[in-house]
Amino acid sequence: KQEVTQIPAALSVPEGENLVLNCSFTDSAIYNLQWFRQDPGKGLTSLLLIQSSQREQTSGRLNASLDKSSGRSTLYIAASQPGDSATYLCAVIVSPTDDYKLSFGAGTTVTVRA
Amino acid sequence: DTEVTQTPKHLVMGMTNKKSLKCEQHMGHRAMYWYKQKAKKPPELMFVYSYEKLSINESVPSRFSPECPNSSLLNLHLHALQPEDSALYLCASSQEGGTDDGYTFGSGTRLTVV
Repeated sequence: KQEVTQIPAALSVPEGENLVLNCSFTDSAIYNLQWFRQDPGKGLTSLLLIQSSQREQTSGRLNASLDKSSGRSTLYIAASQPGDSATYLCAVIVSPTDDYKLSFGAGTTVTVRA
Repeated sequence: DTEVTQTPKHLVMGMTNKKSLKCEQHMGHRAMYWYKQKAKKPPELMFVYSYEKLSINESVPSRFSPECPNSSLLNLHLHALQPEDSALYLCASSQEGGTDDGYTFGSGTRLTVV
């Protein structure tokens, strides 16, 4: 069974500092990995999708890397802003043998202090 | 259109009521999902529809009844719920297996059972 772990569980940084969020998974036989953002009481917003053949994806201040062999992904957020405060979830898209299932980490809750 | 639309956004219902949650997408995705999310926990999969057929039921109690009238719509019918069913209910969609553009989530329905 695929297990996804996110460290740290919570993070508080001053505005302007770079954020590093970690995600690890136990089974490297994944299709893709997707990072989401969730504001309190709201739905999930997709940030980045990394295909299994890729090593990183970038969108604006966000960069996500993927190392399948070591079972790790890292989300970097440059020059953090108070608006970046949210919970960030990592989700692994497992192989077709698991019928489209997403395996989620427990999330990292980020607070960016003004 | 790159959104998943869920209605209503908030719902309060008594334990003897019958209500329905609705979800709609027009991205041509052929897989649709219902997730349940409790506070400070990651989403948990409830049901998966693939090509309008139920392909996964994660041992969900029968008081939750999913329906997929067509490829764009997904409903979740609720009957005789318990207070512990209070949660955020999220709908999502994807291409088959989530391999192309990942998963798209709606903004959720906040359900309170009284």
